[in-house]
Amino acid sequence: EIVLTQSPGTLSLSPGERATLSCRASQSVRNYLAWFQQKPGQAPRLVIYGTSRRAPGIPDRFSGSGSGTDFALTISRLDPEDFAVYYCQQYGTSPLYNFGQGTKLEIK
Amino acid sequence: QVHLVQSGPEVKKPGASVKVSCKASGYIFSNYDINWVRQAAGQGPEWVGWMNPNSGDTGYAEKFQGRVTITRNTSINTAYIELSNLRSDDTAVYYCTRVSTYDALTDYWGQGTLVTVSA
Repeated sequence: EIVLTQSPGTLSLSPGERATLSCRASQSVRNYLAWFQQKPGQAPRLVIYGTSRRAPGIPDRFSGSGSGTDFALTISRLDPEDFAVYYCQQYGTSPLYNFGQGTKLEIK
Repeated sequence: QVHLVQSGPEVKKPGASVKVSCKASGYIFSNYDINWVRQAAGQGPEWVGWMNPNSGDTGYAEKFQGRVTITRNTSINTAYIELSNLRSDDTAVYYCTRVSTYDALTDYWGQGTLVTVSA
C-alpha cells in the first residue's frame, strides 16, 4: 500500500509570502499526484492534478512540481483566501485513492 | 456545470444501517466512476469504495468489506452508499466524488453528508 506523508503539519505564513508544501510517497506514483484545498465546512476542491496541471479556475500563483516519490505544492504569493488545509492524493495505482494527512496553512 | 448533490444529515444508533444518496447532474452519469470518501472530524479523507455506473461494478476498501454496499439508479443519475452495523467510529462526513475512468482523477465532490452514530 502506498503511504503519503505530508509536511509540515502546520505552516504559518503571512499574506504575500511564498508557501511550499511537501508530499512524499512510500513508492513511486509516477505523475499521478493531485492536490486538494479544503476550507472549514466545505468539500475539498481540486487544485493541481498530474503533478503540475492547474485545475480550471485555479490562479496561476499555484504550481505543482516533483516526480516519482517527492512532490511539492507552491503558492507564490499568499492571498488571504489561500489559507486552508491542503491534501495530496495519489491516483492511478491500487489502492487508487490514498490521501496524505494534510498540511494546515494558517495566517501568521 | 457538474453538480453532485447529496442527501441530508443522518443520526443513527450503533448497529443500525444508513443509506446516503448522491444525485449527479451536468454530465453523462455513466461516463465517470463514482467514489465514496469519508472524513472524520480533524482527519484526512479516507477512501471507502468506488462504482462504475455503466456496469455496476464496485470495489471497496478492505476495512469496509462486508459492511458497505454501493449501488446506483441510472434512470435518475443517482448513486447510493449503504453502511451497515454502524459503530461510533463511523461518525464522519461522507462524500461522493466524480472520478475519471481514464486515469482515476477525482475532480468533483458532493457537498458531504454528516453521519452521526450515537447511542
